Amino acid sequence: SQQGEEDPQALSIQEGENATMNCSYKTSINNLQWYRQNSGRGLVHLILIRSNEREKHSGRLRVTLDTSKKSSSLLITASRAADTASYFCATAQFSGGYNKLIFGAGTRLAVHP
Amino acid sequence: KAGVTQTPRYLIKTRGQQVTLSCSPISGHRSVSWYQQTPGQGLQFLFEYFSETQRNKGNFPGRFSGRQFSNSRSEMNVSTLELGDSALYLCASSTRDRGLSSHEQYFGPGTRLTVT
Repeated sequence: SQQGEEDPQALSIQEGENATMNCSYKTSINNLQWYRQNSGRGLVHLILIRSNEREKHSGRLRVTLDTSKKSSSLLITASRAADTASYFCATAQFSGGYNKLIFGAGTRLAVHP
Repeated sequence: KAGVTQTPRYLIKTRGQQVTLSCSPISGHRSVSWYQQTPGQGLQFLFEYFSETQRNKGNFPGRFSGRQFSNSRSEMNVSTLELGDSALYLCASSTRDRGLSSHEQYFGPGTRLTVT
């Protein structure tokens, strides 16, 4: 089963608006990462938030982490057309003697000019 | 620094054949991970190599295998291809040796494999 689940699955907004994506996970984590993927291409790391952090900023990105609710959110402020992409959260899960990095299903963000 | 490179970028194979994909990590990165991405299953972790040893493994059948060379370059092999193996295969490298989620991963552009 997937460790991370994002919602919404798809989000359509106008340039200048804020976009919020949520991620829920199932097991305890050391940290949680967010990645962006432009259509059919490789993923780009956006931000990593550790389990002892509640909020982290990077430019127009703000990530929050609530370990009690096992959830995280990614906020993109003042969105631009170039932000159009899929966004994934990722956490590590230890299972069967191995660590696996588990990605959620992703949120497809469309920012319209 | 050059990014993660993957070759080939596109590949078409027939069911039953085998395929080898290659990944060159960022210089100095010793950890290389492989992922399969499909519309139905999303991004799934295949395995991770560090210092020529498989350190972590996902839930894929034995038809999927990999290896890492002393220069950290990695190859992934899929034998007896099935139609369901059609996917984007992504390779990622990382600089640190403390586990998958400890540090950011740098992804290559992927190899698009089509099995007919």
